[in-house]
This record gives sequence, structure tokens and C-alpha cells, in this order.
Amino acid sequence: RKEVEQDPGPFNVPEGATVAFNCTYSNSASQSFFWYRQDCRKEPKLLMSVYSSGNEDGRFTAQLNRASQYISLLIRDSKLSDSATYLCVVNSETSYDKVIFGPGTSLSVIP
Amino acid sequence: DAGVTQSPTHLIKTRGQQVTLRCSPKSGHDTVSWYQQALGQGPQFIFQYYEEEERQRGNFPDRFSGHQFPNYSSELNVNALLLGDSALYLCASSLRAREAFFGQGTRLTVV
Repeated sequence: RKEVEQDPGPFNVPEGATVAFNCTYSNSASQSFFWYRQDCRKEPKLLMSVYSSGNEDGRFTAQLNRASQYISLLIRDSKLSDSATYLCVVNSETSYDKVIFGPGTSLSVIP
Repeated sequence: DAGVTQSPTHLIKTRGQQVTLRCSPKSGHDTVSWYQQALGQGPQFIFQYYEEEERQRGNFPDRFSGHQFPNYSSELNVNALLLGDSALYLCASSLRAREAFFGQGTRLTVV
């Protein structure tokens, strides 16, 4: 089993739709979780951190389920500008820090 | 405040050659991580440097080596280049296990 797995995608949704991305991780010791966004041929950029209580930033909501080792990202009222690849990232805060990226899920928002 | 800067932005090398990529971290960051991203895939962790030492390493051969300098900047060296080393190489800086910020990457083409 891969350390971080994501929905294979791609997701093609109309403007205004709600879309959810799922991510599972294998290391139960993982402590920090993030969603990054990567535009075509650009570097990944932090979209939001994921906290145990869940967190919301405008149209974006992230949730963490430690028992199931599962992270989700919900995008409401999709915009054309949301088209990108969304990367699930997990840090394992042991004595040394290791960052693991999921393979990413591609989203295309269609007019 | 300058973000993470990488040089060069593009590079073409011949199979068997050696290459050095450079990264300057975001101001205040002490940890530098390197990633390889092949087309259509998520970034793969190569290694991480903190206090001038390699702290973590991904599944990459010894041909991949690095260095961190006292000013926290870092280099990635790849020896005996293979065609399969062609990829986008991303540098990310962070303060310990906190959110990572990426440079724009170096696109390496091996011919």
C-alpha cells in the first residue's frame, strides 16, 4: 500500500458544482496534513492546513479523520480558476521530519 | 521578502553527465527538502537537509546527493545522469515540520 493515496481523477465538473477529494494515508503516526494546489507546469502552493477539528477557508473545507486515516477537501461553488491538481501532503513528525505527497487529483472546471 | 528561489530554471544535459541544482530558502526557514516530479505525477521526496545534515532520504540512488550551507541554502547533485532523471526538480523550505513553500523548480532534460 502506498503511503498516501488519492482519488485517481481526473474530475471534470461544471462551474458552480461542489466537488470532494479524498486522501488516505498509511502511517498512523502522521501528525500534520496539508492540501496543496499545483497549476500546470508550476510549483505546488499551500492551499490549506488540515486540523483535527476540521477547517474552512471560504469555499474550501478540509476534514481529518484520524481513526480512518482519511483526509478530505471539499470545494463549493467551483470556479474556472479552481482548475488545477490538488495534492494531499502528510508530514510524519518523528525525530526527523518526512514529507509525503500523494499523486494528486486533477480538477477541470468547465464553463 | 523573497520566497524560495531555484536556479537554473531550465537545463539540458547529456546522459552520463553530472548536474548541480541550487536553492535558496525563504527567509527564516531552516529546513530544505528536494523533490523530483515526473510529468503527470506528484512530487517524490528525495531528501531533506537541516543544520547542514541530511535528515531524511527517499528511495533515490546514491547518484543523488546534496548539501546545505551555513546560510541554509542547498544544492542537489545528480551524477551519471540517465534519461529517466528528466523531471521537474522542486526545492521546498520550511521551519521544521511546518508548511513548506516551494520554489518554481528546475526543469531538467536529459538527452
